[in-house]
Amino acid sequence: GIQVEQSPPDLILQEGANSTLRCNFSDSVNNLQWFHQNPWGQLINLFYIPSGTKQNGRLSATTVATERYSLLYISSSQTTDSGVYFCAGASGGYQKVTFGTGTKLQVIP
Amino acid sequence: GAVVSQHPSRVICKSGTSVKIECRSLDFQATTMFWYRQFPKQSLMLMATSNEGSKATYEQGVEKDKFLINHASLTLSTLTVTSAHPEDSSFYICSARDWTDSSYEQYFGPGTRLTVT
Repeated sequence: GIQVEQSPPDLILQEGANSTLRCNFSDSVNNLQWFHQNPWGQLINLFYIPSGTKQNGRLSATTVATERYSLLYISSSQTTDSGVYFCAGASGGYQKVTFGTGTKLQVIP
Repeated sequence: GAVVSQHPSRVICKSGTSVKIECRSLDFQATTMFWYRQFPKQSLMLMATSNEGSKATYEQGVEKDKFLINHASLTLSTLTVTSAHPEDSSFYICSARDWTDSSYEQYFGPGTRLTVT
C-alpha cells in the first residue's frame, strides 16, 4: 500500500488566522480524502479530492496528483476548527485506504 | 449524503467476554465495508476488509479468530471481538463505499469505543 505523510504534526493558531495543512503520498492515488476528527472521535468528511481543487465555505483543498501531494486550507479559523485533521489515500484498483499520521490543530481565542 | 451508523457507540465489558459491533449503511448499499481501529493519539489502522457474502480479508498482524467479521447483507457488517482483553480496548471505526458510486469515496461511521476491564 501507499505511504501517507502529513505536516505539520501540531499547529496552534490564533482565532481568525489562516493555515495550510499538507499531505504527501508515495504513489499516485485514485482516492484522496480529508477528514476532521472531532473531540468525540467522529470522522467528518471534508473533501473527496483525488485531483483538482474544491472549496466548501472557509475550507478548500487542492490535490496535485502528478506531484503526489494535497493541501488543505483553512481560512479565518474558529475555535470549532480544533481537532485532528487526517488525509487518507488509496492507489490502483485497491479500495484500502491508508491514513496519514494527522495534524492536531488547536485554535485559541 | 451517505450515512453510516455504528452500534453501540460505547461499550464496557469484562475480560473474557465477547462484544459485537454493528456497522450499517443507512441510505446506500455497500458490497465492501472496512474496519479500522484507533489507539489514543494515533492514526487509524485498517484491520480488515469485509465483503458481502464472502470471507473478510484481514491485514497482516490482525487475528481473524479474535476479530470475527460477518457481512451478511448489503447494508450490514458486524465485528465481534471474541474473548476480549484489556489490550483490545480501542476506538473501532467502520467505513463503507456506495457500490453504485463510480468514485472511491468512503463514508465513515461515528465509531465505537470499547473498554475491556
